[in-house]
Amino acid sequence: QKEVEQDPGPLSVPEGAIVSLNCTYSNSAFQYFMWYRQYSRKGPELLMYTYSSGNKEDGRFTAQVDKSSKYISLFIRDSQPSDSATYLCAMSANDMRFGAGTRLTVKP
Amino acid sequence: DAGITQSPRYKITETGRQVTLMCHQTWSHSYMFWYRQDLGHGLRLIYYSAAADITDKGEVPDGYVVSRSKTENFPLTLESATRSQTSVYFCASTGGGYTDTQYFGPGTRLTVL
Repeated sequence: QKEVEQDPGPLSVPEGAIVSLNCTYSNSAFQYFMWYRQYSRKGPELLMYTYSSGNKEDGRFTAQVDKSSKYISLFIRDSQPSDSATYLCAMSANDMRFGAGTRLTVKP
Repeated sequence: DAGITQSPRYKITETGRQVTLMCHQTWSHSYMFWYRQDLGHGLRLIYYSAAADITDKGEVPDGYVVSRSKTENFPLTLESATRSQTSVYFCASTGGGYTDTQYFGPGTRLTVL
């Protein structure tokens, strides 16, 4: 079993939809949780960074961490075609572990 | 150019050849990382470096060698390339510790025939 599990999708939604992306993990030592966005043929770029449990909001993006369930989520409100990308969750304790990434397409 | 750059962006080589992938960052970040990205596996850490002349293995180090004589450069060498090393390679850096935000380069797409 991988330390970090992420459904690879692909996920296709119409413009304006609410998108929910999720990861589960097995290592209870993880304290820092991140979401990276990766456009095709580009390097990943940080989207959201949270420490421990709770919610964090940034514009149309909300990151949630539930450490008791070992589950993290990223919500995208009012999704746009420009949100079409692969979204990778990442988490760290003494080192960093990435999920496999979920490919999202937002159709106009 | 400011930021983090990788070269070459694309490389085709043959089994058994030595290949070096270059990574250069202009932020003077202390930490640098090499990852490979494969379908179904996401990003896997190959090697990392906490400072010049300090390197350590990651999750998948076999078949790779790194060096870091200068803070800004972190080359990755495949000593004898194998087909299983066909992948997209990303270099990243961070000014904080291992758990800090990592800034990624554009990637090198390597094909081993």
